[in-house]
Amino acid sequence: AQKITQTQPGMFVQEKEAVTLDCTYDTSDQSYGLFWYKQPSSGEMIFLIYQGSYDEQNATEGRYSLNFQKARKSANLVISASQLGDSAMYFCAMREIYGGSQGNLIFGKGTKLSVKP
Amino acid sequence: NAGVTQTPKFRILKIGQSMTLQCTQDMNHNYMYWYRQDPGMGLKLIYYSVGAGITDKGEVPNGYNVSRSTTEDFPLRLELAAPSQTSVYFCASSYSVSGSGNTIYFGEGSWLTVV
Repeated sequence: AQKITQTQPGMFVQEKEAVTLDCTYDTSDQSYGLFWYKQPSSGEMIFLIYQGSYDEQNATEGRYSLNFQKARKSANLVISASQLGDSAMYFCAMREIYGGSQGNLIFGKGTKLSVKP
Repeated sequence: NAGVTQTPKFRILKIGQSMTLQCTQDMNHNYMYWYRQDPGMGLKLIYYSVGAGITDKGEVPNGYNVSRSTTEDFPLRLELAAPSQTSVYFCASSYSVSGSGNTIYFGEGSWLTVV
């Protein structure tokens, strides 16, 4: 069964420093996608970054990068040069391409990131 | 720049009442989803649709119904509201499940309280 684990309920980081949010996943499918979403206090879900299971390069989007270690089944989000506006909940999610769930996203429980000035 | 639009944003229901959460997307997406998010938790799938006329249950479908008569619209119906349905509801959509169109985009959420 597919599962996403985020072991850090809360994290603190100093403004302008980098931070890594952990995510491990479990799936028996060979084809899947990994996503990170940001949820600020206003509640909307904002797409940050995507990594496909066959992508050889780690995904990057501006200050966000995804440290993909397939053998370890981990997909950690790295945020460089943290800003106060990065304070939010962060969710890791996985989507099986050919699984029976028709591409449904399975979410972890999230990590609450707080950026200190 | 509409994307995924949900209405209403906030609603208070009395126990036993019914209501429909509306969701529409203007991106010609085939896949549409309804999730709920309980406090301090991740999102759980209620129902999904892979195209007009095709819907199926997700992880937590009890107490809900959906329809998909058009590509754009995917309303969620709550019948006989119960306090356990107090939650934040998100509608989401994507063009495909693989390739460049597989990003799932979310609406802004609908806060529902059942009292």
